[in-house]
Amino acid sequence: SQQGEEDPQALSIQEGENATMNCSYKTSINNLQWYRQNSGRGLVHLILIRSNEREKHSGRLRVTLDTSKKSSSLLITASRAADTASYFCATGSDNYGQNFVFGPGTRLSVLP
Amino acid sequence: NAGVMQNPRHLVRRRGQEARLRCSPMKGHSHVYWYRQLPEEGLKFMVYLQKENIIDESGMPKERFSAEFPKEGPSILRIQQVVRGDSAAYFCASSPPRTGAGETQYFGPGTRLLVL
Repeated sequence: SQQGEEDPQALSIQEGENATMNCSYKTSINNLQWYRQNSGRGLVHLILIRSNEREKHSGRLRVTLDTSKKSSSLLITASRAADTASYFCATGSDNYGQNFVFGPGTRLSVLP
Repeated sequence: NAGVMQNPRHLVRRRGQEARLRCSPMKGHSHVYWYRQLPEEGLKFMVYLQKENIIDESGMPKERFSAEFPKEGPSILRIQQVVRGDSAAYFCASSPPRTGAGETQYFGPGTRLLVL
């Protein structure tokens, strides 16, 4: 299966701490994206990293991609209560057609 | 530039009724995707459409579900004779004309369907 799998399934940290979430996948990909979903809301695109990139930054977000290990990590630095949400990784691949495949998500709780 | 719009945001149906979910993509986007999210689960791909064409419906249940994206107007996801198991959040995403596989998809707020 192409599906990405996020790890851990749930994460609880204190405000100001860093949060790291991981995503693993099984087949070759063209790119990997991270999305955030606040409770009861739609998905918000955070960052896309292509298969020929190893690291990408956007504000307090840092994404790494290791194609040899078929894994990616999302780091949120100096977390805030507003970062509380579910985070999904999605893989895109020519082999899988035009759609993305999402994992079950990591539920992040940032405690004030 | 308005984002992806979906309506209704909430829909309640009784078993056996029909549900119609609408999605208007972002301006300039010609590709629409539908996903379903069951409680406590990730998104599951259902169907990918371009204007007047279904490109990939590999995730669509074979019965009762259909989707269209007409030349004019929104994309419609139609569920006939709904059952309780259809209760879920249905998300639509759109993307611009593709230059390669897996370009960024922009999601709407979703329609939450509840079947009584």
